[in-house]
Amino acid sequence: LAKTTQPISMDSYEGQEVNITCSHNNIATNDYITWYQQFPSQGPRFIIQGYKTKVTNEVASLFIPADRKSSTLSLPRVSLSDTAVYYCLVGALNTGGFKTIFGAGTRLFVKA
Amino acid sequence: GAVVSQHPSWVICKSGTSVKIECRSLDFQATTMFWYRQFPKQSLMLMATSNEGSKATYEQGVEKDKFLINHASLTLSTLTVTSAHPEDSSFYICSARTNQGYRGWETQYFGPGTRLLVL
Repeated sequence: LAKTTQPISMDSYEGQEVNITCSHNNIATNDYITWYQQFPSQGPRFIIQGYKTKVTNEVASLFIPADRKSSTLSLPRVSLSDTAVYYCLVGALNTGGFKTIFGAGTRLFVKA
Repeated sequence: GAVVSQHPSWVICKSGTSVKIECRSLDFQATTMFWYRQFPKQSLMLMATSNEGSKATYEQGVEKDKFLINHASLTLSTLTVTSAHPEDSSFYICSARTNQGYRGWETQYFGPGTRLLVL
């Protein structure tokens, strides 16, 4: 299982773009990257998933460089409600056998 | 789509009693579900992998006789905390794996969690 490293915490202001980078230096060829958001006393919520280059959905973008040793979650124009913990996870594609191990995550504080 | 529910959302029990937590995938079938526990200000810790129709696989350090897992159908897994003690008080979260992720990849969707307080 590829180990991930993220900043422990980040601060931002409302309306700004926030980029959270995750390092996964030993990512394997069949591994992909998934990001989750968690609010206090709630289960993690799926944000976005990708394998390489760029993926965008209605809430975020995910940038993955060619070497795939890192990935960046980009949240456009954050609001106070985006204050949460964000987890980056790496898991194998469709092997049916992987299990998700959570790292420490990044605590994002959005200020008014 | 891909909704996972848990019941109850919170439970308070006396020390020595057993507590059952249900995890259901509402709009998809899940051959594999996972159980996590989370202490305040900490990350999720994987307890066990639950496979439909077979025995659960427990992570190192998790007592299988203490935390009984039953995955009786493709949409239901249960976690029973037997003879609960105050140190078992925690936030328990389940997840279910599905191929409804990006490009049909495997993705885990999580339940809302169950807060257990043992007095």
